[in-house]
Amino acid sequence: GNSVTQMEGPVTLSEEAFLTINCTYTATGYPSLFWYVQYPGEGLQLLLKATKADDKGSNKGFEATYRKETTSFHLEKGSVQVSDSAVYFCALLGMDSSYKLIFGSGTRLLVRP
Amino acid sequence: DAGVTQSPTHLIKTRGQQVTLRCSPKSGHDTVSWYQQALGQGPQFIFQYYEEEERQRGNFPDRFSGHQFPNYSSELNVNALLLGDSALYLCASSLGRVDYGYTFGSGTRLTVV
Repeated sequence: GNSVTQMEGPVTLSEEAFLTINCTYTATGYPSLFWYVQYPGEGLQLLLKATKADDKGSNKGFEATYRKETTSFHLEKGSVQVSDSAVYFCALLGMDSSYKLIFGSGTRLLVRP
Repeated sequence: DAGVTQSPTHLIKTRGQQVTLRCSPKSGHDTVSWYQQALGQGPQFIFQYYEEEERQRGNFPDRFSGHQFPNYSSELNVNALLLGDSALYLCASSLGRVDYGYTFGSGTRLTVV
């Protein structure tokens, strides 16, 4: 079945450091891939998405490239800010008849001033 | 433009009781999905409603049921509550298939004691 695996957190960085959060997936065909962010006490917000191989999703300085050959969708940001502290979830939407998003377990990011 | 609205925001119930959670989708969206997010975990798909019918269901017992109304709003009902039902319940809306990502509400925090 479809699944998503994320690196375990927490990830602790200093402000302006480079961020990578790893995400790999298992799925048949070409799923759509997403990154969602959850700030404390809130629901999930769509951060970026990619719907086909080699697509690059980007938003607010975050980027992720859909790599079919490595079944990966790693999240990157060149210079993190304290306000980026949150939990980040990688998710996929299968190409089968499923309408459900499948999420990873989430990675908590803490950015220190 | 209002996003997804969920009520109540917090709820405390006793084991064995029944609970109803409510969701109003984002304006223009016709599909509502419900997710359960246990503490420290990624959201798990419960079910999805479209055209007032359950279109797909995740791996949840029959104690979990739902309804969608003609105005696209939705309810999630859980009977015979267990301690393990304590979680954040997220409602997400979309227009048809979700390739562009769901819009999530802030959730209802259910505590079963």
